[in-house]
Amino acid sequence: GQQVMQIPQYQHVQEGEDFTTYCNSSTTLSNIQWYKQRPGGHPVFLIQLVKSGEVKKQKRLTFQFGEAKKNSSLHITATQTTDVGTYFCAGRTSGANNLFFGTGTRLTVIP
Amino acid sequence: SQTIHQWPATLVQPVGSPLSLECTVEGTSNPNLYWYRQAAGRGLQLLFYSVGIGQISSEVPQNLSASRPQDRQFILSSKKLLLSDSGFYLCAAGGYLNSPLHFGNGTRLTVT
Repeated sequence: GQQVMQIPQYQHVQEGEDFTTYCNSSTTLSNIQWYKQRPGGHPVFLIQLVKSGEVKKQKRLTFQFGEAKKNSSLHITATQTTDVGTYFCAGRTSGANNLFFGTGTRLTVIP
Repeated sequence: SQTIHQWPATLVQPVGSPLSLECTVEGTSNPNLYWYRQAAGRGLQLLFYSVGIGQISSEVPQNLSASRPQDRQFILSSKKLLLSDSGFYLCAAGGYLNSPLHFGNGTRLTVT
């Protein structure tokens, strides 16, 4: 079955440092979405990437979709304490209704 | 915009007892609906999804079942809970083609 892996599982950074999480799928994806889950909360949609090689930015967050549409990354520049949470990628194969979530990366930002 | 209502927020149930979690959706019609489970500190496991009334797809064989009696109502059930059923249950709506998922606030279930 489809698997979506993320690395690292955990990341501790000093406030102001950069952070990157990587997402890899065992199958080619039609699109990939990124979500953020604050501690004790529910996942909240951040962004979607559809095109091969696509790059999107949201303030300090940069999202990339690989050329082969099997991997993606999220990079946060100059982390802040408000960035704390678990970041999930979620992928869908062509024509599928279900969305498979990655294993998530839990980010801790040390003030 | 969509609003996902889930209740209860927390639940403690003994092993062997039944379970019924309800999810209702506002702000959209004919949504795709999903049940996910998240074990403590873990990722999201897709349990069931539905593309319409009475249409349920199961991703993981287990002692849970789902039903969709109305367009915007999705129910997760069990006849007899196991300890391993403990977790954070999340209902979500949307996800049609390229649309994002909107999650409810979740139910934290502890089976004792």
